[in-house]
Amino acid sequence: DAKTTQPTSMDCAEGRAANLPCNHSTISGNEYVYWYRQIHSQGPQYIIHGLKNNETNEMASLIITEDRKSSTLILPHATLRDTAVYYCIVRDNYGGSQGNLIFGKGTKLSVKP
Amino acid sequence: DSGVTQTPKHLITATGQRVTLRCSPRSGDLSVYWYQQSLDQGLQFLIQYYNGEERAKGNILERFSAQQFPDLHSELNLSSLELGDSALYFCASSVGLAGTGYEQYFGPGTRLTVT
Repeated sequence: DAKTTQPTSMDCAEGRAANLPCNHSTISGNEYVYWYRQIHSQGPQYIIHGLKNNETNEMASLIITEDRKSSTLILPHATLRDTAVYYCIVRDNYGGSQGNLIFGKGTKLSVKP
Repeated sequence: DSGVTQTPKHLITATGQRVTLRCSPRSGDLSVYWYQQSLDQGLQFLIQYYNGEERAKGNILERFSAQQFPDLHSELNLSSLELGDSALYFCASSVGLAGTGYEQYFGPGTRLTVT
């Protein structure tokens, strides 16, 4: 699986958009970008994933650059409950692939009032 | 609530002992994964089962073993416990092996403290 690079920490004001970047310059054509978050020792929570098109769901939006070497997770209106460690993970979805996720250190997002 | 349940929530035991952690996946999910999270190592994949069969192994020690039963629940057995085994142990489940909709759903974890 491709390695990812994320900032160690970020701050965001409550109610503002939180934009979390992720670099994955060695991503291959069949690899997806996944985002998970972990709120203070709870189980990681799936947020969103995508291949090359931008994706949006009720939690967030995922913007993937045209060359797919980087992406941004956007939380449109951050709340205090969005304070968490956010993990960007790149992996393929082939049927023969192993299923495990490889977590890096992630980005510690602090949403402040 | 992810739909994945884990028991017990907390476990305190002594070095050299053996414990069993239990996981029930979401209804309909065939894959179960075990992860360990310690302060110094972060989230590490241990082992994966799919429909009762071992599918992948990660950084799992020989003192640890797991199985998935016909009803799809899974157990992680940790033996000859050492202080360094103190960690959060998470179970996750997913529908299948791969393909769209592959996201994993994590349980609340079991916090193991070895004294």
